[in-house]
Order: sequence, then C-alpha cells, then structure tokens
Amino acid sequence: GQNIDQPTEMTATEGAIVQINCTYQTSGFNGLFWYQQHAGEAPTFLSYNVLDGLEEKGRFSSFLSRSKGYSYLLLKELQMKDSASYLCAAGFSNDYKLSFGAGTTVTVRA
Amino acid sequence: SAVISQKPSRDICQRGTSLTIQCQVDSQVTMMFWYRQQPGQSLTLIATANQGSEATYESGFVIDKFPISRPNLTFSTLTVSNMSPEDSSIYLCSARNAYEQYFGPGTRLTVT
Repeated sequence: GQNIDQPTEMTATEGAIVQINCTYQTSGFNGLFWYQQHAGEAPTFLSYNVLDGLEEKGRFSSFLSRSKGYSYLLLKELQMKDSASYLCAAGFSNDYKLSFGAGTTVTVRA
Repeated sequence: SAVISQKPSRDICQRGTSLTIQCQVDSQVTMMFWYRQQPGQSLTLIATANQGSEATYESGFVIDKFPISRPNLTFSTLTVSNMSPEDSSIYLCSARNAYEQYFGPGTRLTVT
C-alpha cells in the first residue's frame, strides 16, 4: 500500500466539531478523496482535493497540503447521524487507482 | 454523480461453486473497479475493469480466481470462482470520472 494513515477512532458530542487527519506518501500523489461509510452500507463520496487549500461543502470541509502529505476532514455542528466510518483515499501516478486508509470511526454522543 | 447498482445484493454459496456479480452504472464512466471489504476493515482493490480488454489485477488477485468483464462503458461483471469460506466478504463495484469516484451498494457474499 501507500501508507495512508488516519486515527482509528474519535468521539465527540452533538453540535461539536471534529477534525480527522490523514497522512500519505507524497511521491506520485495526484489527489485525495474522503468517504463516509455507515455500518452495512457502501462508502458515500464526500470530497475530492487535488489542489492545496480548504474545500467547504456545508457542514463538511476538506483540506489538503500536497507538500506535507496531509489532509483533514472537518465535521462541524455534529449530528447523531454523522456517526460513521470516514475513509481517506489517495490516488497515485496516473492510473486512477485509490489506496484507502483503514478508516476512522466517529462516534457522536448526545 | 453516477448511480451504481449491483446484483445480487447478497448470496450464500457453497464451497467450490462460482458466483457472478453484475455492476451497472447509469452513465458512461472512464474507469470501473472492483473492491473487496472484509468486515470491520477498509477497502482492498481487486482489479481495474478495462473496457474491451483484460482487467488489470492487483497483487494477490488473479484472473483465474476473479475473472472480470467490461463489455461497454457502463457495465461490468466480477466472478468469484471456486469459492472457499475465505472469499466471504463484501464486493463493491466502483466507477470513476476525473474528479469523482462512486461505489455501488455492494454484494455481501457468504461461502459455507
């Protein structure tokens, strides 16, 4: 694999903010995806970052620093339905294949 | 966005048999892939389904075990051959255009 690293678990309270970090090897990197996956369901596309900076989509934002090999997914105004696994996936070279991290399980508590 | 359907959604199969999973995308896409996800684990790429030519397999996966077809830009099949209990998993079809990649609902396979 391409050593996609993300924390295993995170817990936060409803209404709070959580930031999920993801690091990857920079050699050949060409873009980074974030997915949400609820138990027993398929991954749902959240964001794709190819350039440095922050991309905001409602309560979810994704950040990328290509030089540092670093991305984060920011979840704001957490809701109970946000409890899920969040997968970081990076693309390398020009073949469109993705390497996935192990996923971060986020638990939102009342 | 692309909407992906898979058939069957789940199946229970006996050791030694084969199962073909179908994947249909509602629009033409550049790339199609097949992934496997073991319970509680992340996604592992099995192969890239190439239109009109042999699929490109990842390390640890071979064509004899996982034959793949992609006759056009919207359809692909994955066959799991000569199944063993170790093949029990969720198999996911995925479709990608330049800046988006989507997944089908998955096929939950149990081999007894």
